[in-house]
Amino acid sequence: DAKTTQPPSMDCAEGRAANLPCNHSTISGNEYVYWYRQIHSQGPQYIIHGLKNNETNEMASLIITEDRKSSTLILPHATLRDTAVYYCIVSAKTDSWGKFQFGAGTQVVVTP
Amino acid sequence: ETGVTQTPRHLVMGMTNKKSLKCEQHLGHNAMYWYKQSAKKPLELMFVYSLEERVENNSVPSRFSPECPNSSHLFLHLHTLQPEDSALYLCASSQESSFGEQFFGPGTRLTVL
Repeated sequence: DAKTTQPPSMDCAEGRAANLPCNHSTISGNEYVYWYRQIHSQGPQYIIHGLKNNETNEMASLIITEDRKSSTLILPHATLRDTAVYYCIVSAKTDSWGKFQFGAGTQVVVTP
Repeated sequence: ETGVTQTPRHLVMGMTNKKSLKCEQHLGHNAMYWYKQSAKKPLELMFVYSLEERVENNSVPSRFSPECPNSSHLFLHLHTLQPEDSALYLCASSQESSFGEQFFGPGTRLTVL
């Protein structure tokens, strides 16, 4: 199973871009990269996912390296409400129920 | 508002009690999940139901018993729990064809005395 490595914590200034790295060097060809976040004492929130190409939605952008061994989640203009634990998960899209695993994530603190 | 509701939000129970957690999703999804999140630990997947059939039981003790009567409702029946079962229990739902895009409820904070 592919596993991910994320820094345990990072700080970001309000209004600046937050770039959250994730390493997944053993990712398989059919596995996607998913990002979630969990604000304290709430349920996790799906952010974005991608396979090969860069993806963007109203919440964030996902940049995946050409060799797919790492990715970066970009929050373009961080706000205080973006303070949360961010999880990077790699998984196939179907038939891998038990392999969709949340790790420890990155605790992001956005400061004024 | 995520479209996934859980009740109760908080529950305190003794080790000999029997209680149930309820989850309801209003998103038209056909897969539902139970997760456990203990203090300072990652989320642990407990059970998965797809098209109302259990497809994953992640070595969960038998004192936890899931039930999925239809694609919109999921229950977790609890009996003779231990204090170490105290945790945040989270329900999620997704389309079966894309289980990586899960929508979570707010969770039930369970304390076992």
